[in-house]
Amino acid sequence: AQSVSQHNHHVILSEAASLELGCNYSYGGTVNLFWYVQYPGQHLQLLLKYFSGDPLVKGIKGFEAEFIKSKFSFNLRKPSVQWSDTAEYFCAVNAISGNTPLVFGKGTRLSVIA
Amino acid sequence: DGGITQSPKYLFRKEGQNVTLSCEQNLNHDAMYWYRQDPGQGLRLIYYSQIVNDFQKGDIAEGYSVSREKKESFPLTVTSAQKNPTAFYLCASSLGTAATNEKLFFGSGTQLSVL
Repeated sequence: AQSVSQHNHHVILSEAASLELGCNYSYGGTVNLFWYVQYPGQHLQLLLKYFSGDPLVKGIKGFEAEFIKSKFSFNLRKPSVQWSDTAEYFCAVNAISGNTPLVFGKGTRLSVIA
Repeated sequence: DGGITQSPKYLFRKEGQNVTLSCEQNLNHDAMYWYRQDPGQGLRLIYYSQIVNDFQKGDIAEGYSVSREKKESFPLTVTSAQKNPTAFYLCASSLGTAATNEKLFFGSGTQLSVL
């Protein structure tokens, strides 16, 4: 069974700082990878996804993530965070074979301070 | 206005009581899911359904039951066998199945608390 590890439980950054949130998964086969975001008081929504092709994927609001197959990683990055990026971020994976639903990491809470 | 509607927003359960959380979608999605969200635990899958009249257990199905009699509805019952039901419950749907890489659309959630 696949599993997802997010290394940071809570990250606090000042505005304009660069962001990198770690995500590693355990599964030997081909996977689809996602980052979801939950802004305060809002629904969970898709930030970006990787299925195949270019391992560097770009999402909404200036976020990007890089799939490094050899490291089983899919880290989320943003060059310069804003106060409005304060939210909880979830990495998720599902194996292409097996028709299984998404498995989520435990989430990373990002607090951006002025 | 298309989307997923969960109700109620807040629910209180007495000991020994079964309670049912509603989830309705008008997106014409085939697959529906129930996740439980606890602080620091992320989202854990309770049950999912990829077609009407069929559903599968997720990672933490014990103490829960579901039905999928209609495409648009996937209610979750938290039974008295669930000893730690206090959590935030999220319903989601997707157009295709997990294998077709469809993104999930989430409802606004139901916060269940035990009295």
